[in-house]
Amino acid sequence: SQQGEEDPQALSIQEGENATMNCSYKTSINNLQWYRQNSGRGLVHLILIRSNEREKHSGRLRVTLDTSKKSSSLLITASRAADTASYFCATDARETSGSRLTFGEGTQLTVNP
Amino acid sequence: ETGVTQSPTHLIKTRGQQVTLRCSSQSGHNTVSWYQQALGQGPQFIFQYYREEENGRGNFPPRFSGLQFPNYSSELNVNALELDDSALYLCASSPSGSYNEQFFGPGTRLTVL
Repeated sequence: SQQGEEDPQALSIQEGENATMNCSYKTSINNLQWYRQNSGRGLVHLILIRSNEREKHSGRLRVTLDTSKKSSSLLITASRAADTASYFCATDARETSGSRLTFGEGTQLTVNP
Repeated sequence: ETGVTQSPTHLIKTRGQQVTLRCSSQSGHNTVSWYQQALGQGPQFIFQYYREEENGRGNFPPRFSGLQFPNYSSELNVNALELDDSALYLCASSPSGSYNEQFFGPGTRLTVL
């Protein structure tokens, strides 16, 4: 079963608006990562936040992590039509060896021009 | 582009057949992970190879097997194909078995009829 669960499953906004996606998980983690996927192709890494970090920025992306609530959020500011894609959170669990990512079901973001 | 390549891009097989998927990892990466992504779902971890040894396995039956070669490229083999094996198969490489981001290839779309 998937550890991460994204909310909402689908999000439709207008260009220029902000998009917020949430992710919840169940176990202790080393880090949490957000990925983007266009049209069922390969995943593109967006940002990694470690378990001892609370907030991280990268360009128009802002990620927060609350380990006490086992949740994370991804904020995309000033969205563009090119941001239309599926977004997945993935956790790297503390108790497994190596780097095994557990993905959520994803949020389908549509940005309308 | 991540530098991770996969072949073939698409593949159609019939139930009961066997399939081999290939992955070439990014230069300098000695860890390869394989994921299965069913339509509309998040990727699920199949297994990981580190320096030619299996380094963790997800909840997949033994008919899913793999190899990693001295140049760190990898193969995923699936025997006795079932209809539910139809999915996008993604490989990801990462440096030296630590908790870092993973770099994904474009995937192989397998259809089992």
